[in-house]
Amino acid sequence: SQTIHQWPATLVQPVGSPLSLECTVEGTSNPNLYWYRQAAGRGLQLLFYSVGIGQISSEVPQNLSASRPQDRQFILSSKKLLLSDSGFYLCAWSVRSETSGRLNSYNEQFFGPGTRLTVL
Amino acid sequence: AQSVTQPDIHITVSEGASLELRCNYSYGATPYLFWYVQSPGQGLQLLLKYFSGDTLVQGIKGFEAEFKRSQSSFNLRKPSVHWSDAAEYFCAVGRRSSNDYKLSFGAGTTVTVRA
Repeated sequence: SQTIHQWPATLVQPVGSPLSLECTVEGTSNPNLYWYRQAAGRGLQLLFYSVGIGQISSEVPQNLSASRPQDRQFILSSKKLLLSDSGFYLCAWSVRSETSGRLNSYNEQFFGPGTRLTVL
Repeated sequence: AQSVTQPDIHITVSEGASLELRCNYSYGATPYLFWYVQSPGQGLQLLLKYFSGDTLVQGIKGFEAEFKRSQSSFNLRKPSVHWSDAAEYFCAVGRRSSNDYKLSFGAGTTVTVRA
């Protein structure tokens, strides 16, 4: 069976410090990977997604970056944290469609347990 | 462009009572609609999804949702809630992008269940 891990579970960091959040998936190959942020009282915002190693797409301009050094590893980073970076960060994966353009297919996204980041 | 609106930020319901959570969307094409549930401090779990066909969709944990194109709605319902249903519920619209679908989420509805 597939599992998704995120760490750390909670993190408190000072403004201006660097950040590295890690997400790993087990039990599947070539997944699509996603980073979401959930700010207090708001829904989930897609930050980055990746369809393969080294392939990163950014959804919104921000202070964060993402990398995918291995097939099942997705890292969220920042060189200098801002107060506004506080939130709950969720990683997700989905099975990649075998054929692009298959409009009737949807691959469920499976979410990790999340990392709660507080920037002080 | 698209958006997902969940008009109710917080709903309190008695255990055993019925529950309905509202979701409205704006999307130019045929929508792919989802409901996710998030228990406190946890990730999200898919409750149900709608792609096409029967507009009444059955999900896990006794939930169902009905797609109404004329109202651009996809409301979630449960006939009788249990205390374990206390959680945050998110409606989402899926949009196609390259190899997979991206999800746009509503702001969520927090459900409190009172004894």
